[in-house]
Amino acid sequence: GEDVEQSLFLSVREGDSSVINCTYTDSSSTYLYWYKQEPGAGLQLLTYIFSNMDMKQDQRLTVLLNKKDKHLSLRIADTQTGDSAIYFCAENLKSFKTIFGAGTRLFVKA
Amino acid sequence: NAGVTQTPKFRVLKTGQSMTLLCAQDMNHEYMYWYRQDPGMGLRLIHYSVGEGTTAKGEVPDGYNVSRLKKQNFLLGLESAAPSQTSVYFCASSFPGNNSPLHFGNGTRLTVT
Repeated sequence: GEDVEQSLFLSVREGDSSVINCTYTDSSSTYLYWYKQEPGAGLQLLTYIFSNMDMKQDQRLTVLLNKKDKHLSLRIADTQTGDSAIYFCAENLKSFKTIFGAGTRLFVKA
Repeated sequence: NAGVTQTPKFRVLKTGQSMTLLCAQDMNHEYMYWYRQDPGMGLRLIHYSVGEGTTAKGEVPDGYNVSRLKKQNFLLGLESAAPSQTSVYFCASSFPGNNSPLHFGNGTRLTVT
């Protein structure tokens, strides 16, 4: 079946790197996404990676994709208190079908 | 450019009451979606639409109906609310195609007592 799993909580100190991990089951996904949800708001696209890529870097964000293990990770360098939010991993299977993980709540301690 | 706008932001219903959640987007997106978000369960797709006048069932459609009479609007109806429908509801929209990320509204928090 189609499933996306991620750990529910992560706590880091300000200035450290955060690594949020995700595993997915459907190997037919074409794009994998990371969305960020701040309190009281909807999800906003943070970054994405095409399934034939291994890595994508965008300023403080690094996405790593291990297609063999169906493992996706999001690294946030120099984590700031403003990065505290819920991060959702999602895989796009068809143009109208996106499967979301349960979300990882990132706590950043000052 | 407002993006995706949902109304209302909050609502409390009694069991058996009905209501309609409104979603409007100004990005000329073809596709629109209704999701519900529950703790520890991520987002689950209720219904979606791939164009004006079309709707389709998602993962958890029971107890909900939708209509897409105009391209920019997607309405979610609850005919007879149940406590199990207490949730946060998100509307989203996108262009067609595999690399078309979803654009979300800010959500409607619904409590059914």
